[in-house]
Amino acid sequence: GENVEQHPSTLSVQEGDSAVIKCTYSDSASNYFPWYKQELGKRPQLIIDIRSNVGEKKDQRIAVTLNKTAKHFSLHITETQPEDSAVYFCAASGANTDKLIFGTGTRLQVFP
Amino acid sequence: DAGVTQSPTHLIKTRGQQVTLRCSPKSGHDTVSWYQQALGQGPQFIFQYYEEEERQRGNFPDRFSGHQFPNYSSELNVNALLLGDSALYLCASRYGGMETQYFGPGTRLLVL
Repeated sequence: GENVEQHPSTLSVQEGDSAVIKCTYSDSASNYFPWYKQELGKRPQLIIDIRSNVGEKKDQRIAVTLNKTAKHFSLHITETQPEDSAVYFCAASGANTDKLIFGTGTRLQVFP
Repeated sequence: DAGVTQSPTHLIKTRGQQVTLRCSPKSGHDTVSWYQQALGQGPQFIFQYYEEEERQRGNFPDRFSGHQFPNYSSELNVNALLLGDSALYLCASRYGGMETQYFGPGTRLLVL
């Protein structure tokens, strides 16, 4: 069935370092890949998304890359700040569906 | 412009009871999806409503049902509650053909 694997489950970095979170999806029909940031006790917030016709997208310190052949996509955060600390979820969905399949989440801790 | 809102914020029920959760989508949005997020896990898709009809459904039993009203707001009903139904229930809305889903703050349900 549909599945999204996410690694690592926890990630600790020093302020200013980069952080990379990787996801793999199983359904080759998936064509939309959002990333959500969820702080403790709060709603998931969309931070960036990418569609299957694009290989890379960047928004300031955040970038996402997609390798459709390998069915991999990754989130890159540069110059991390303590306020980047949260749980990050990747997700995937196919055409004509709202069903987002989420990864298991990565807890990112940025130490000052 | 209000984002997605949900009520109540917290709820405590006992096994066997029934519960109704409510969601008001972001202004201009007409499609509502519901997700269940167990502690430490990613959200899981329950179902989606559009034009007052259930359009897609995830792997949840018939105890989970919903409704969408003409003003696009939505309800999630869960009958015969089980301990395992304890979770954060998230509502997400989007507009028409746009893929981006915006989440509400969620309702935290505890079943004793």
